[in-house]
Amino acid sequence: KQEVTQIPAALSVPEGENLVLNCSFTDSAIYNLQWFRQDPGKGLTSLLLIQSSQREQTSGRLNASLDKSSGRSTLYIAASQPGDSATYLCAVFNGNQFYFGTGTSLTVIP
Amino acid sequence: GAGVSQSPSNKVTEKGKDVELRCDPISGHTALYWYRQSLGQGLEFLIYFQGNSAPDKSGLPSDRFSAERTGGSVSTLTIQRTQQEDSAVYLCASSITSGSTGELFFGEGSRLTVL
Repeated sequence: KQEVTQIPAALSVPEGENLVLNCSFTDSAIYNLQWFRQDPGKGLTSLLLIQSSQREQTSGRLNASLDKSSGRSTLYIAASQPGDSATYLCAVFNGNQFYFGTGTSLTVIP
Repeated sequence: GAGVSQSPSNKVTEKGKDVELRCDPISGHTALYWYRQSLGQGLEFLIYFQGNSAPDKSGLPSDRFSAERTGGSVSTLTIQRTQQEDSAVYLCASSITSGSTGELFFGEGSRLTVL
């Protein structure tokens, strides 16, 4: 069964820092990988979707990479802002089911 | 609609009562998923609908839980004889296809509290 791990579980950084969140998965037979953001008491908001044939995707200050063979993805956030504070989850899709990590809780300190 | 819509946003019920949670997916999305998220926990898969195919019910925790999807659109998750451990946020998500290009979109969730 696919297992998705996110490290670290929590991260606190000062405003303006660049940071990297990690996501690893055990089965490389995936169709795509998606990064989400979840604010307290809210649903999940899609940030980036990387297809299995792609290596990275960018949206604004966010850049996500995918190394399918090693079972890893990273989410890079440039010039972090207090508004980036949230929980970030990754999910891999095997063509039928989505498998989620437990998330990284990010706090950006003003 | 513009996004996935869930109702009610909050539901407080007494132990033993039945509850119904509704999900209206994005128009044209053929795949619909229900997840449960307990306080401070990750997402737990419950059930998955794809078009007119038989749903994947492998994540339903007990026979008190059931779901249906009418006309390939709106879905209702029903919990019978609710227990306190059913308290959680129930999230619905939809995708345009179950294929490789599918991007998953979530609703805001229904927070269930069983007293």
